[in-house]
Amino acid sequence: DAKTTQPPSMDCAEGRAANLPCNHSTISGNEYVYWYRQIHSQGPQYIIHGLKNNETNEMASLIITEDRKSSTLILPHATLRDTAVYYCIVLNDYKLSFGAGTTVTVRA
Amino acid sequence: DAGVIQSPRHEVTEMGQEVTLRCKPISGHNSLFWYRQTMMRGLELLIYFNNNVPIDDSGMPEDRFSAKMPNASFSTLKIQPSEPRDSAVYFCASSPRDFNEQFFGPGTRLTVL
Repeated sequence: DAKTTQPPSMDCAEGRAANLPCNHSTISGNEYVYWYRQIHSQGPQYIIHGLKNNETNEMASLIITEDRKSSTLILPHATLRDTAVYYCIVLNDYKLSFGAGTTVTVRA
Repeated sequence: DAGVIQSPRHEVTEMGQEVTLRCKPISGHNSLFWYRQTMMRGLELLIYFNNNVPIDDSGMPEDRFSAKMPNASFSTLKIQPSEPRDSAVYFCASSPRDFNEQFFGPGTRLTVL
């Protein structure tokens, strides 16, 4: 599976949009981009995934560049409950594994 | 829907004892996964079931670990005998399709003394 690079941490103001970048320059054509998050002491939570088109669901939007070498997860209106570690993963099978991720802290 | 249910939430046992972790997947999901998470090794896939059949158990650390899925609504992960290095959080996840989004349970925190 392709490796991803994410910033180690970022802060966000409550109510503002949070834009989380991810680089995956070695992604192959059949690999999807997945985003999960893990709130402290809880199980990982699926957020969204996509192949090459932008995707939106009730939680977030996923913007994938045309060359698929990077993507951005957008939380449109961050709340305190969105404080978590966010993981960007690229894969084409079921073997999830998390890197260091981005620790997002939403501040009031 | 209650989501993926795991029990117990916490387990403390002594080295050499048998440990059984339980999981009830989301109804209608045909894939079930067992993962282990530690600070040192991160999240590791232990075993993957599809339609109650083990498809990939290459992540099971050794013969002390075994997993079963007797029906679509129940799975167990057993460690016998347990060792201190087995201490971790064990997650069960289920998926409505082969390997798309996985829905995780709250985990079982296992401590082996």
